[in-house]
Amino acid sequence: EAQVTQNPRYLITVTGKKLTVTCSQNMNHEYMSWYRQDPGLGLRQIYYSMNVEVTDKGDVPEGYKVSRKEKRNFPLILESPSPNQTSLYFCASSLVGFLSTDTQYFGPGTRLTVL
Amino acid sequence: GDSVTQMEGPVTLSEEAFLTINCTYTATGYPSLFWYVQYPGEGLQLLLKATKADDKGSNKGFEATYRKETTSFHLEKGSVQVSDSAVYFCALSGNRGSTLGRLYFGRGTQLTVWP
Repeated sequence: EAQVTQNPRYLITVTGKKLTVTCSQNMNHEYMSWYRQDPGLGLRQIYYSMNVEVTDKGDVPEGYKVSRKEKRNFPLILESPSPNQTSLYFCASSLVGFLSTDTQYFGPGTRLTVL
Repeated sequence: GDSVTQMEGPVTLSEEAFLTINCTYTATGYPSLFWYVQYPGEGLQLLLKATKADDKGSNKGFEATYRKETTSFHLEKGSVQVSDSAVYFCALSGNRGSTLGRLYFGRGTQLTVWP
């Protein structure tokens, strides 16, 4: 089944404790992206990647890191999480990122709480 | 920059009522326009899209027409069902420069349909 998977689905952590949220897709998509969803703000893009070893900042990159060493994986790293990073996070992928007509496929989401 | 303005919710309707959710956009060039839906506890999934002016996207009884003259992409359905209860997001995908392939979302509209 074609899908985007994220792990963990739920995470409660404390301020300053490094964490990684994994994202993997099995559709051979070139483009991958991370979003955060907050009430009243919709989805905002954190980082995106057009292909392996190519990443770029979205609209809200502060406090996050990403890497794209393999085509299928795009982990989101919070080196020193803070309470304002408490949010619902979505990973997404699409076939070819530079086509504006592409549909993005979303993972099920990771709900992160930073105490 | 590119942006989407979406009708504020929540919207509450009785089954078989007519639905309209307004969406307008600001963009340079000719973006693609999307409606994504998020069912409770799930990630976003594409509902419909339109990639050029005057195109009509349709799916599951929902429709939206890409109106360049009014920069709008309103979502409509003639007769809603309880199963349509979800959050609906309007989005655009830029097609030039730094916006190429990136999705810009509205804030989302919560729809609740009562039997």
